[in-house]
Amino acid sequence: AQKITQTQPGMFVQEKEAVTLDCTYDTSDPSYGLFWYKQPSSGEMIFLIYQGSYDQQNATEGRYSLNFQKARKSANLVISASQLGDSAMYFCAMRERREAGTALIFGKGTTLSVSS
Amino acid sequence: GAGVSQTPSNKVTEKGKYVELRCDPISGHTALYWYRQSLGQGPEFLIYFQGTGAADDSGLPNDRFFAVRPEGSVSTLKIQRTERGDSAMYLCASSTQGGYNEQFFGPGTRLTVL
Repeated sequence: AQKITQTQPGMFVQEKEAVTLDCTYDTSDPSYGLFWYKQPSSGEMIFLIYQGSYDQQNATEGRYSLNFQKARKSANLVISASQLGDSAMYFCAMRERREAGTALIFGKGTTLSVSS
Repeated sequence: GAGVSQTPSNKVTEKGKYVELRCDPISGHTALYWYRQSLGQGPEFLIYFQGTGAADDSGLPNDRFFAVRPEGSVSTLKIQRTERGDSAMYLCASSTQGGYNEQFFGPGTRLTVL
């Protein structure tokens, strides 16, 4: 069963506008973590923001905020005031506890294109 | 400080050959991960090291894939008898302790099997 679902293959936004990238997840573990990573065309995965399942407040990091709705099992990324450099692939990931340690389970990603 | 580094950045090989991909994690990070990313997909977990030992290798697709981390720092992913389906981006990540914090990724090695 798919554990991380990103339903938007591509999103388009104009500079300075806000954009929301959707992510839903599925887990029976009460303790989990949700991450968003950015992957530019160069290929490197860049960590953006983290939300723990027990965190009371939505995470924010500069222009990035995470709209965490636990009951809906959604963890959408909001980018405010988009910039041309935000054009990239964005991945939602969930930390999964395994027998010895953890691993990240990734969604299929959303391609964000920012135009001037 | 230096981030995670991976070498080579690109590797082209012929079907049936043996390849080694290297990962140098952030100094002091005890947890090291290998992921494989096929075109148009998110990364998929391959193997996780805590220190020198492979704590979880359940993501390795078959016995042609093997990874080592003999001194608890640098890791090498080894692929024997490569197949065209092995072509992908191979990403390495490191983290403190058991990976409960964010994982820091390297730039990846793009492997192409002809």
